[in-house]
Amino acid sequence: DTGVSQDPRHKITKRGQNVTFRCDPISEHNRLYWYRQTLGQGPEFLTYFQNEAQLEKSRLLSDRFSAERPKGSFSTLEIQRTEQGDSAMYLCASSRQGSTNEKLFFGSGTQLSVL
Amino acid sequence: EDKVVQSPLSLVVHEGDTVTLNCSYEVTNFRSLLWYKQEKKAPTFLFMLTSSGIEKKSGRLSSILDKKELFSILNITATQTGDSAVYLCAVTGANSKLTFGKGITLSVRP
Repeated sequence: DTGVSQDPRHKITKRGQNVTFRCDPISEHNRLYWYRQTLGQGPEFLTYFQNEAQLEKSRLLSDRFSAERPKGSFSTLEIQRTEQGDSAMYLCASSRQGSTNEKLFFGSGTQLSVL
Repeated sequence: EDKVVQSPLSLVVHEGDTVTLNCSYEVTNFRSLLWYKQEKKAPTFLFMLTSSGIEKKSGRLSSILDKKELFSILNITATQTGDSAVYLCAVTGANSKLTFGKGITLSVRP
């Protein structure tokens, strides 16, 4: 069990640029979640996948955000035309649906700074 | 919409003190309540509670759930500086996604 890994750990970009983050879940986990966290707030749900199917998207997720999980393993989150308000920690989590007491395990996050 | 409210939002204590962190919630089709500790990056799992009145305990930390009154508490006894962190409470409803509160920032002074 190598845990949930996210890449990159930090990303600094200029407003208007596109960025892409990657998440590798725990290998036997079929559910993968994306959350966003800003200073002083708890993580906010963005979207989640069960295998390769994207089952739910938050109303917070504007059309500039897109997430994929093409083979049901790793996932990518892309933000197009970044804005300063996108600056946040983007957290990925995974879980095994159907397990007793299903709980989420989090990665260390990608800290995005939009200048 | 599911909602989690934590209180207080921050507190400062001295080593050896006992603290109680509060979490109240509103959720459709409640499944579980979870506590996480967040020090710098990833939230790390502490407890999952699904039944009322059953205390979960791990060392100096313990937690209990009241499903009738819709709240949970997390107790930390004999606090240490290493307990300084943000403590997050979250609930899961019908679709298993977690809804988090804002977190409680605990600072333990030597």
